[in-house]
Amino acid sequence: EVQLVESGGGLVQPGGSLRLSCAASGFTFSSYAMHWVRQAPGKGLEYVSAISSNGGSTYYANSVKGRFTISRDNSKNTLYLQMGSLRAEDMAVYYCARDGEMATGEAFDIWGQGTMVTVSS
Amino acid sequence: QSVLTQPPSVSGAPGQRVTISCTGSSSNIGAGYDVHWYQQLPGTAPKLLIYGNSNRPSGVPDRFSGSKSGTSASLAITGLQAEDEADYYCQSYDSSLSGEDVVFGGGTKLTVL
Repeated sequence: EVQLVESGGGLVQPGGSLRLSCAASGFTFSSYAMHWVRQAPGKGLEYVSAISSNGGSTYYANSVKGRFTISRDNSKNTLYLQMGSLRAEDMAVYYCARDGEMATGEAFDIWGQGTMVTVSS
Repeated sequence: QSVLTQPPSVSGAPGQRVTISCTGSSSNIGAGYDVHWYQQLPGTAPKLLIYGNSNRPSGVPDRFSGSKSGTSASLAITGLQAEDEADYYCQSYDSSLSGEDVVFGGGTKLTVL
């Protein structure tokens, strides 16, 4: 079964750091670009970051640039999001998603269940 | 304020047809970028519903269809069912000085009456 499972969310103080993980299974992880998308409580989807299949290229939304770092370990089939200088507005459910590449016109065809990040003192 | 504009809510009775619009501009949908649609059932993760403007992934009922024209796209749902009650999001790309940004619509809540 093709699956993405996020972990690492939790409660963190403003200014703190947290690392999210996304474990992939059921497909050749190293062949796909991957993304992080977040959703604040009661709000819509917000794009966060992307990384190419080999990790050589990354992208960040302006709202997280300079504070978040996306990375991947293809030997462990795992995607990461290192979050720093966290703010109240970063509080959200964070989803990892697979880029369907040419098969889906680069739509996000597989999503994880999400992990909640709470930023509060 | 989302780059792609969706109505906050739509509703319809079982069996009816509803449409959800996604309005962009010349820098995103109008520039030729594909539009994708996601369905988010209550308390769950988003799921790909339509990709490449009008294509359905395997397993998505043909009651769901997508179209694109000019700077807008639409999602149509026919034969509305109670299980279709969910939030729906459009997604595309926007051309910026830094390249291409992934953009989402603000989402539309579908209520089945």
